[in-house]
Amino acid sequence: GAGVSQSPSNKVTEKGKDVELRCDPISGHTALYWYRQSLGQGLEFLIYFQGNSAPDKSGLPSDRFSAERTGGSVSTLTIQRTQQEDSAVYLCASSLGGSGTGQFFGPGTRLTVL
Amino acid sequence: EDQVTQSPEALRLQEGESSSLNCSYTVSGLRGLFWYRQDPGKGPEFLFTLYSAGEEKEKERLKATLTKKESFLHITAPKPEDSATYLCAVQDDYKLSFGAGTTVTVRA
Repeated sequence: GAGVSQSPSNKVTEKGKDVELRCDPISGHTALYWYRQSLGQGLEFLIYFQGNSAPDKSGLPSDRFSAERTGGSVSTLTIQRTQQEDSAVYLCASSLGGSGTGQFFGPGTRLTVL
Repeated sequence: EDQVTQSPEALRLQEGESSSLNCSYTVSGLRGLFWYRQDPGKGPEFLFTLYSAGEEKEKERLKATLTKKESFLHITAPKPEDSATYLCAVQDDYKLSFGAGTTVTVRA
């Protein structure tokens, strides 16, 4: 079966522009996560969606970051007024449930802010 | 706050030279300890989940073990295709807290 897919695979933007990153989770997975992987740093949690519950946004680094999940499936991570420190690989993961279940990652979107 | 420390940062092995990677952790309530493999330019690939001290899991040349404070990933008779970064993560609710990883290079 298909894994987690993300688009675009690479995104180069200018400082101050807005970007949207897309994630298609594995079919049937109710939980969806966004993480960020910066050069020289480990993976950092950003946001978590579970079914119809309110998302956990506690990992979002600033109010320039937002995410939504439509119809319990596809998710979009939006970064407004991008800054150079936003450059990183943004990874999406999905799982069958929340706690204790394996999270399966997509290939990531490499964002470069010039 | 959950903390995960992996050692060594890098490991260079000769093909067939077995070794172990360490993952030390502190977590308020462990729901699972996860091992992932990450190749350059790709997302992490799920390997194992361990839930309680004493548990062991195996997959091909890899074996993961868990104690109350650390986990080990043993690589037996590695091959060049085992070269990758191995990531350890702990889960105390639903989000994962990752270590910085161990980059393994296996020379033929």
